[in-house]
Amino acid sequence: KNQVEQSPQSLIILEGKNCTLQCNYTVSPFSNLRWYKQDTGRGPVSLTIMTFSENTKSNGRYTATLDADTKQSSLHITASQLSDSASYICVVCRGGTSYGKLTFGQGTILTVHP
Amino acid sequence: DTEVTQTPKHLVMGMTNKKSLKCEQHMGHRAMYWYKQKAKKPPELMFVYSYEKLSINESVPSRFSPECPNSSLLNLHLHALQPEDSALYLCASSLESPRSGNTIYFGEGSWLTVV
Repeated sequence: KNQVEQSPQSLIILEGKNCTLQCNYTVSPFSNLRWYKQDTGRGPVSLTIMTFSENTKSNGRYTATLDADTKQSSLHITASQLSDSASYICVVCRGGTSYGKLTFGQGTILTVHP
Repeated sequence: DTEVTQTPKHLVMGMTNKKSLKCEQHMGHRAMYWYKQKAKKPPELMFVYSYEKLSINESVPSRFSPECPNSSLLNLHLHALQPEDSALYLCASSLESPRSGNTIYFGEGSWLTVV
């Protein structure tokens, strides 16, 4: 079954600290993996997209890693800010079809406290 | 311009009403999507349009009717909805299909409440 599991479900950190969010997937065949940030009540915003051959991709204070062998990805946030409080969603795109079906994880809710 | 614009932002409708959600993008994207998102859940795909043609319908009830009048516009027509259809409806677009690795841009969503 094609699934995306994220951990932890929720996380509370202090402003300025770093954190790492995890994503494990069983989607096959794999095409690409995406991380999105979604503020409450707003649309998701793309952070990174990684294909099979990419191990690391950065976007400002966000760094995503991908291990396609173990089917794991992580999103590392450095020097957290209050505005980082949001839901972070891991999304895996399946290959093998012309479209590329997306499977969404349940998200990790990050709360950054001052 | 990397915007997907959705209107209205909020909509309250009765179960016998007919209303429409609208979505617009001017990025030249050929794939456009409707997603439904309930509270604390990830978005669920409803429809995909590719080159203005409906390519995917995820077994959505016929009370939801999508329309793509041109390459920049996507509508979702609503009729005889149920209270459980209340949700955030997200429109999104990408240059090509997700398999190509293109960024998918989401709109801010339309909050729908069915009373």
